[in-house]
Amino acid sequence: NAGVTQTPKFQVLKTGQSMTLQCAQDMNHNSMYWYRQDPGMGLRLIYYSASEGTTDKGEVPNGYNVSRLNKREFSLRLESAAPSQTSVYFCASSPGTGTDNQPQHFGDGTRLSIL
Amino acid sequence: QKEVEQNSGPLSVPEGAIASLNCTYSDRVSQSFFWYRQYSGKSPELIMSIYSNGDKEDGRFTAQLNKASQYVSLLIRDSQPSDSATYLCAVKSGGSYIPTFGRGTSLIVHP
Repeated sequence: NAGVTQTPKFQVLKTGQSMTLQCAQDMNHNSMYWYRQDPGMGLRLIYYSASEGTTDKGEVPNGYNVSRLNKREFSLRLESAAPSQTSVYFCASSPGTGTDNQPQHFGDGTRLSIL
Repeated sequence: QKEVEQNSGPLSVPEGAIASLNCTYSDRVSQSFFWYRQYSGKSPELIMSIYSNGDKEDGRFTAQLNKASQYVSLLIRDSQPSDSATYLCAVKSGGSYIPTFGRGTSLIVHP
Protein backbone atom coordinates (compact mmCIF):
# COMPACT_ATOMS: atom_id res chain seq x y z
CA ASN A 1 0.00 0.00 0.00
CA ALA A 2 2.05 2.94 -1.30
CA GLY A 3 -0.29 5.81 -0.29
CA VAL A 4 1.06 9.08 -1.70
CA THR A 5 4.19 8.79 -3.83
CA GLN A 6 6.34 11.77 -4.75
CA THR A 7 9.17 11.86 -7.26
CA PRO A 8 11.93 12.84 -7.20
CA LYS A 9 12.97 12.80 -3.54
CA PHE A 10 15.84 15.23 -4.06
CA GLN A 11 16.68 17.68 -6.81
CA VAL A 12 19.18 20.48 -7.38
CA LEU A 13 18.40 23.04 -10.06
CA LYS A 14 20.07 26.13 -11.40
CA THR A 15 18.23 29.43 -11.42
CA GLY A 16 16.01 29.67 -14.47
CA GLN A 17 15.68 25.92 -15.05
CA SER A 18 12.28 24.30 -15.17
CA MET A 19 11.11 21.18 -13.41
CA THR A 20 8.00 19.15 -12.70
CA LEU A 21 7.39 17.45 -9.36
CA GLN A 22 5.24 14.37 -9.63
CA CYS A 23 2.68 13.08 -7.16
CA ALA A 24 0.47 10.02 -7.35
CA GLN A 25 -1.92 8.47 -4.85
CA ASP A 26 -3.41 5.00 -4.89
CA MET A 27 -6.14 5.54 -2.28
CA ASN A 28 -8.86 6.69 -4.70
CA HIS A 29 -8.86 10.11 -3.04
CA ASN A 30 -10.66 13.02 -4.63
CA SER A 31 -8.70 15.97 -3.26
CA MET A 32 -4.98 16.58 -3.72
CA TYR A 33 -2.70 19.34 -2.47
CA TRP A 34 0.77 20.80 -2.88
CA TYR A 35 2.51 22.43 0.09
CA ARG A 36 5.92 23.89 0.67
CA GLN A 37 7.58 23.86 4.07
CA ASP A 38 10.32 26.26 5.06
CA PRO A 39 12.02 26.58 8.46
CA GLY A 40 9.86 28.62 10.82
CA MET A 41 7.10 29.05 8.23
CA GLY A 42 5.08 25.91 8.66
CA LEU A 43 3.19 24.31 5.81
CA ARG A 44 2.03 26.73 3.13
CA LEU A 45 -0.48 25.67 0.50
CA ILE A 46 0.60 26.31 -3.07
CA TYR A 47 -2.27 24.79 -5.08
CA TYR A 48 -4.97 22.26 -4.52
CA SER A 49 -7.35 20.18 -6.58
CA ALA A 50 -10.71 19.44 -5.05
CA SER A 51 -11.54 16.88 -7.71
CA GLU A 52 -10.33 15.60 -11.05
CA GLY A 53 -10.41 18.42 -13.57
CA THR A 54 -10.29 21.30 -11.07
CA THR A 55 -7.42 23.24 -9.57
CA ASP A 56 -7.30 26.31 -7.33
CA LYS A 57 -4.66 28.62 -5.94
CA GLY A 58 -3.56 28.40 -2.36
CA GLU A 59 -1.63 30.83 -0.22
CA VAL A 60 1.61 31.00 -2.27
CA PRO A 61 0.90 30.13 -5.95
CA ASN A 62 3.24 32.59 -7.67
CA GLY A 63 5.95 30.91 -9.73
CA TYR A 64 4.12 27.56 -9.87
CA ASN A 65 1.65 25.77 -12.09
CA VAL A 66 -0.21 22.52 -11.52
CA SER A 67 -1.94 19.83 -13.53
CA ARG A 68 -4.44 17.30 -12.27
CA LEU A 69 -3.67 14.72 -14.89
CA ASN A 70 -6.29 12.24 -13.67
CA LYS A 71 -7.74 11.19 -10.35
CA ARG A 72 -4.45 9.65 -9.22
CA GLU A 73 -1.90 12.22 -10.32
CA PHE A 74 -1.27 15.87 -9.46
CA SER A 75 1.92 17.52 -10.71
CA LEU A 76 3.60 20.78 -9.73
CA ARG A 77 5.70 22.69 -12.25
CA LEU A 78 8.31 25.37 -11.71
CA GLU A 79 8.68 27.15 -15.05
CA SER A 80 11.71 29.27 -14.14
CA ALA A 81 13.17 28.25 -10.82
CA ALA A 82 14.33 30.93 -8.38
CA PRO A 83 16.45 30.54 -5.21
CA SER A 84 13.39 31.59 -3.16
CA GLN A 85 11.75 28.33 -4.25
CA THR A 86 14.33 26.28 -2.39
CA SER A 87 12.16 24.30 -0.02
CA VAL A 88 10.70 20.96 0.89
CA TYR A 89 7.60 20.20 -1.14
CA PHE A 90 4.87 17.91 0.12
CA CYS A 91 1.99 16.46 -1.80
CA ALA A 92 -1.08 15.39 0.15
CA SER A 93 -4.43 13.83 -0.58
CA SER A 94 -7.72 13.42 1.24
CA PRO A 95 -10.62 11.10 0.57
CA GLY A 96 -13.70 13.09 -0.13
CA THR A 97 -15.15 16.43 -0.97
CA GLY A 98 -14.63 19.67 0.92
CA THR A 99 -17.62 19.02 3.12
CA ASP A 100 -16.17 15.90 4.66
CA ASN A 101 -14.11 15.77 7.83
CA GLN A 102 -11.32 13.53 6.63
CA PRO A 103 -7.64 14.25 7.24
CA GLN A 104 -4.90 14.60 4.68
CA HIS A 105 -2.28 11.98 3.98
CA PHE A 106 1.17 13.18 3.01
CA GLY A 107 3.85 11.92 0.66
CA ASP A 108 7.48 11.70 1.73
CA GLY A 109 8.38 15.05 0.20
CA THR A 110 10.74 16.43 -2.42
CA ARG A 111 13.77 18.38 -1.22
CA LEU A 112 14.50 20.99 -3.85
CA SER A 113 17.52 23.29 -3.94
CA ILE A 114 17.82 26.13 -6.42
CA LEU A 115 21.32 27.48 -6.89
CA GLN B 1 -8.26 34.95 8.18
CA LYS B 2 -8.37 31.59 9.90
CA GLU B 3 -5.57 31.13 12.41
CA VAL B 4 -4.22 28.18 14.31
CA GLU B 5 -1.75 29.00 17.05
CA GLN B 6 0.76 26.71 18.67
CA ASN B 7 3.66 27.44 20.98
CA SER B 8 6.76 26.73 18.93
CA GLY B 9 8.66 25.35 21.92
CA PRO B 10 10.77 23.44 22.32
CA LEU B 11 8.84 21.66 25.03
CA SER B 12 11.26 19.53 26.98
CA VAL B 13 9.99 16.71 29.20
CA PRO B 14 11.73 13.82 30.92
CA GLU B 15 11.17 10.27 29.78
CA GLY B 16 8.05 8.79 31.37
CA ALA B 17 6.36 12.15 31.95
CA ILE B 18 3.17 13.49 30.37
CA ALA B 19 3.72 15.89 27.49
CA SER B 20 0.93 18.41 26.93
CA LEU B 21 0.70 20.17 23.59
CA ASN B 22 -1.82 22.93 23.01
CA CYS B 23 -3.46 24.53 20.01
CA THR B 24 -5.94 27.40 19.73
CA TYR B 25 -7.95 28.31 16.65
CA SER B 26 -9.88 31.36 15.52
CA ASP B 27 -12.66 29.97 13.30
CA ARG B 28 -15.71 29.22 15.46
CA VAL B 29 -17.28 26.98 12.82
CA SER B 30 -14.33 24.57 12.77
CA GLN B 31 -15.50 20.98 12.80
CA SER B 32 -12.50 18.69 12.34
CA PHE B 33 -9.28 18.69 14.31
CA PHE B 34 -6.12 16.75 13.59
CA TRP B 35 -2.75 16.16 15.18
CA TYR B 36 0.21 15.25 13.01
CA ARG B 37 3.67 14.17 14.12
CA GLN B 38 6.63 15.20 12.00
CA TYR B 39 10.08 13.79 12.63
CA SER B 40 13.02 15.87 11.47
CA GLY B 41 13.47 15.44 7.72
CA LYS B 42 10.26 13.44 7.36
CA SER B 43 6.70 14.13 6.29
CA PRO B 44 3.72 14.81 8.60
CA GLU B 45 2.05 11.65 9.88
CA LEU B 46 -1.51 11.67 11.19
CA ILE B 47 -1.73 10.46 14.78
CA MET B 48 -5.14 11.67 16.02
CA SER B 49 -8.41 13.06 14.71
CA ILE B 50 -11.14 14.50 16.94
CA TYR B 51 -14.51 15.93 16.02
CA SER B 52 -16.56 16.22 19.24
CA ASN B 53 -16.01 17.98 22.53
CA GLY B 54 -14.27 15.90 25.14
CA ASP B 55 -11.45 13.40 25.16
CA LYS B 56 -10.40 10.79 22.64
CA GLU B 57 -7.81 8.23 23.62
CA ASP B 58 -5.60 6.09 21.41
CA GLY B 59 -2.88 4.21 23.22
CA ARG B 60 -0.58 6.70 24.93
CA PHE B 61 -2.18 9.62 23.08
CA THR B 62 -5.23 11.59 24.22
CA ALA B 63 -6.74 14.41 22.21
CA GLN B 64 -8.92 16.91 24.05
CA LEU B 65 -11.32 19.30 22.34
CA ASN B 66 -13.13 22.29 23.80
CA LYS B 67 -15.06 24.11 21.09
CA ALA B 68 -16.43 26.76 23.44
CA SER B 69 -12.91 27.83 24.35
CA GLN B 70 -11.58 27.09 20.86
CA TYR B 71 -8.70 24.92 21.84
CA VAL B 72 -7.53 21.41 21.19
CA SER B 73 -4.75 19.66 23.03
CA LEU B 74 -2.70 16.49 22.74
CA LEU B 75 -1.47 14.61 25.77
CA ILE B 76 1.26 12.03 25.43
CA ARG B 77 1.51 9.74 28.46
CA ASP B 78 4.70 7.89 29.39
CA SER B 79 6.69 10.00 26.94
CA GLN B 80 9.54 8.23 25.17
CA PRO B 81 12.61 9.66 23.42
CA SER B 82 11.06 8.33 20.18
CA ASP B 83 8.22 10.84 20.70
CA SER B 84 10.68 13.68 20.09
CA ALA B 85 9.33 15.42 17.01
CA THR B 86 7.35 18.45 15.89
CA TYR B 87 3.61 18.15 16.42
CA LEU B 88 1.33 19.97 13.99
CA CYS B 89 -2.24 20.93 14.78
CA ALA B 90 -4.65 21.20 11.83
CA VAL B 91 -8.19 22.53 11.86
CA LYS B 92 -10.81 22.20 9.15
CA SER B 93 -14.15 23.96 8.78
CA GLY B 94 -17.18 22.26 7.37
CA GLY B 95 -17.43 22.90 3.65
CA SER B 96 -13.75 23.77 3.32
CA TYR B 97 -11.31 21.76 1.23
CA ILE B 98 -8.36 23.24 3.05
CA PRO B 99 -7.31 22.63 6.63
CA THR B 100 -5.42 25.37 8.45
CA PHE B 101 -2.16 24.21 10.00
CA GLY B 102 -0.37 25.61 12.98
CA ARG B 103 3.39 26.03 12.75
CA GLY B 104 3.97 23.17 15.13
CA THR B 105 5.41 22.57 18.59
CA SER B 106 8.79 20.93 18.94
CA LEU B 107 8.83 18.25 21.64
CA ILE B 108 12.03 16.91 23.14
CA VAL B 109 11.85 13.90 25.45
CA HIS B 110 15.13 13.46 27.29
CA PRO B 111 16.23 10.23 28.97
